Amino acid sequence: DAMVIQNPRYQVTQFGKPVTLSCSQTLNHNVMYWYQQKSSQAPKLLFHYYDKDFNNEADTPDNFQSRRPNTSFCFLDIRSPGLGDAAMYLCATSRGRTSGYNEQFFGPGTRLTVL
Amino acid sequence: LAKTTQPISMDSYEGQEVNITCSHNNIATNDYITWYQQFPSQGPRFIIQGYKTKVTNEVASLFIPADRKSSTLSLPRVSLSDTAVYYCLVGDFHTGGFKTIFGAGTRLFVKA
Repeated sequence: DAMVIQNPRYQVTQFGKPVTLSCSQTLNHNVMYWYQQKSSQAPKLLFHYYDKDFNNEADTPDNFQSRRPNTSFCFLDIRSPGLGDAAMYLCATSRGRTSGYNEQFFGPGTRLTVL
Repeated sequence: LAKTTQPISMDSYEGQEVNITCSHNNIATNDYITWYQQFPSQGPRFIIQGYKTKVTNEVASLFIPADRKSSTLSLPRVSLSDTAVYYCLVGDFHTGGFKTIFGAGTRLFVKA
C-alpha cells in the first residue's frame, strides 16, 4: 500500500543534542510537509517542500531545518532541541498545493522527548 | 488569514447524526474548506473538502451556506470508532504563499 512512513516512531534526545527525524513516501507526491503537534493542540505547519522548492513558515524557529534529497524522502533537523520542542512531529504529503490536489496524507508521527 | 472557530467538544450516541459547525467569518474568495479527523497518537486523516453549497462522500457531508462564513460537517449514524478530534481548515495556496492553518479542533465523544 502507498503510504507515508516516519522513523523512528519515538525519539529521545538530550537538551541541545541535534536530532534528525525522517519521512518517506511511496505516493510520489510533489509536496511534503512537516508539522509540530504539542499535547492537546492542533498541528502547526513548520514548512513544506513543493518538489525541491522549500517554503518556510514565518514563525518557524531557525532551530528547525529540513532537507529533501529526492521525491521520496524528507528530513527534519532540530539543531539544538530545547525542552519546548518536545512534541509529536507529523510528516504529510499531497499531490499539489491547490484545492483538489492538496488532500494531505499523514504519517503516524514521531514523538520526540527532550531530556 | 482566515481564522476558524469550532466547539471544543461534543457528545453523541451511537447511531445519531452529528453536525459540527465551523465559523470562518473572514474566509477569502479563493479559500476552500477542508475537514480532517485525528485519532490519538495518529496523524490526521482527510475527510472532505468543499467550496460552496454541499459536498458528500462515502463518510460525510459538508454544508456551506451562500455567504461561506461557516460550514457544517455532518457525520451520519456515528459509531464508537468515530470518537476523535475533528479539525476544520480554511485556506488554499495563494500567490503570497501557503495559507492553511488547522483550527483548534472539536473533540467528539460517541457513547454507547
